[in-house]
Amino acid sequence: DTGVSQDPRHKITKRGQNVTFRCDPISEHNRLYWYRQTLGQGPEFLTYFQNEAQLEKSRLLSDRFSAERPKGSFSTLEIQRTEQGDSAMYLCASSLERGGEQYFGPGTRLTVT
Amino acid sequence: RKEVEQDPGPFNVPEGATVAFNCTYSNSASQSFFWYRQDCRKEPKLLMSVYSSGNEDGRFTAQLNRASQYISLLIRDSKLSDSATYLCVVTHWGGYGGATNKLIFGTGTLLAVQP
Repeated sequence: DTGVSQDPRHKITKRGQNVTFRCDPISEHNRLYWYRQTLGQGPEFLTYFQNEAQLEKSRLLSDRFSAERPKGSFSTLEIQRTEQGDSAMYLCASSLERGGEQYFGPGTRLTVT
Repeated sequence: RKEVEQDPGPFNVPEGATVAFNCTYSNSASQSFFWYRQDCRKEPKLLMSVYSSGNEDGRFTAQLNRASQYISLLIRDSKLSDSATYLCVVTHWGGYGGATNKLIFGTGTLLAVQP
């Protein structure tokens, strides 16, 4: 399968714990995006990488959130000191170039208890 | 107010019906427009881009009115397999060098096609 992959697919954690998600984009895609989707809402943009450079962060991304793409390939999204409001589906997408179609991964569903 | 507003759902229609979704966007600088489809508990997938001249793909027709900042999607002869959430999406250049191309989604409209 050469699509976008995400790991884990599901994560249940207790409030206050740290969690990390991984995204592997389509191999030749240099643009990688993170979105968050809560129940009944459309996905909301969190952050974006072009190769290894993080070029934009939404104000939704509080100081507890950090994202990296160290070698311009896979990316990680870490949430520190999780809160119940962080419960959501975290979606990763990648695209080949500006304006190119964004292909989404299956998402990581986070539940904070 | 959300930047992209869609019809509230759900839409329950019989097989074979024609159904229309409407969407408005508030940022006149919006550059590109799309309809995405999202099946239950799955990722969004691009259904079609929307062009000012209007465009059609089989049973699906999309229209854009830039003056009214209005986007529509028409599904003819609806099938059971069309049941999904339809998301209206816009982009506009922003962020670093105007090159972000982040997608801005509406809340989506749930379509349930009944046999």
